Amino acid sequence: IQLTQSPSFLSASVGDRVTITCRASQGINNYLAWYQQKPGKAPRLLIYAASTLQNGVPSRFSGSGSGIEFTLTISSLQPDDFATYYCQHLYNYPPYIFGQGTKLDIK
Amino acid sequence: EVQLVESGGGLVQPGTSLKLSCAASGFDFSRFAMSWVRQAPGKGLDWVSTISGSGGNTFYADSVKGRFTVSRDNSQTTLSLQMNSLRVEDTAVYFCAGHPPGVAAAGTFMYWGQGTLVAVSS
Repeated sequence: IQLTQSPSFLSASVGDRVTITCRASQGINNYLAWYQQKPGKAPRLLIYAASTLQNGVPSRFSGSGSGIEFTLTISSLQPDDFATYYCQHLYNYPPYIFGQGTKLDIK
Repeated sequence: EVQLVESGGGLVQPGTSLKLSCAASGFDFSRFAMSWVRQAPGKGLDWVSTISGSGGNTFYADSVKGRFTVSRDNSQTTLSLQMNSLRVEDTAVYFCAGHPPGVAAAGTFMYWGQGTLVAVSS
């Protein structure tokens, strides 16, 4: 199963609502996670089971989708949110597969 | 507080070996499957290897199978990765990461270390 994220790069402003899409090459029910990674840091788990927020993740982050198409939405961008985001499928593993990443930077 | 601290990275020549370690604390280590995930400079996340909580099951990416060996010592709460026959394309930051037990977030990488850089170059 392959994962394709779009867009690969996204420029936005503080306060914007942004959406990142992750498409699976075959249906994976809701077995999808999202991570945030800042430069020089380890990734951080944001969401699993497509829409369940990990403890401590701000409520402006939300996930949705099922089957082959999933979205990560940030309702109102904050300065701390500029980072690279990765999806990962949890359908059958190993291998553990990540999307190629979406870099979100400041417009 | 959960902590994963990697060590052992460095600059090595192609064909040589290196052993990475990850010291864990702050959680019930033996209940967590553990993995190594790497990230080449400027690239995305690439899963390398996983070991079950007991250490009885191990898994490898095709790109490292036969060259890398993962192991753990639950009494010392440490994870290791023995890397042999290193190639230029193994150059990356190597993260250790923990998978939560249970069903809810199964398969996710919940805990991460800060990473250690392995550079393979002649």
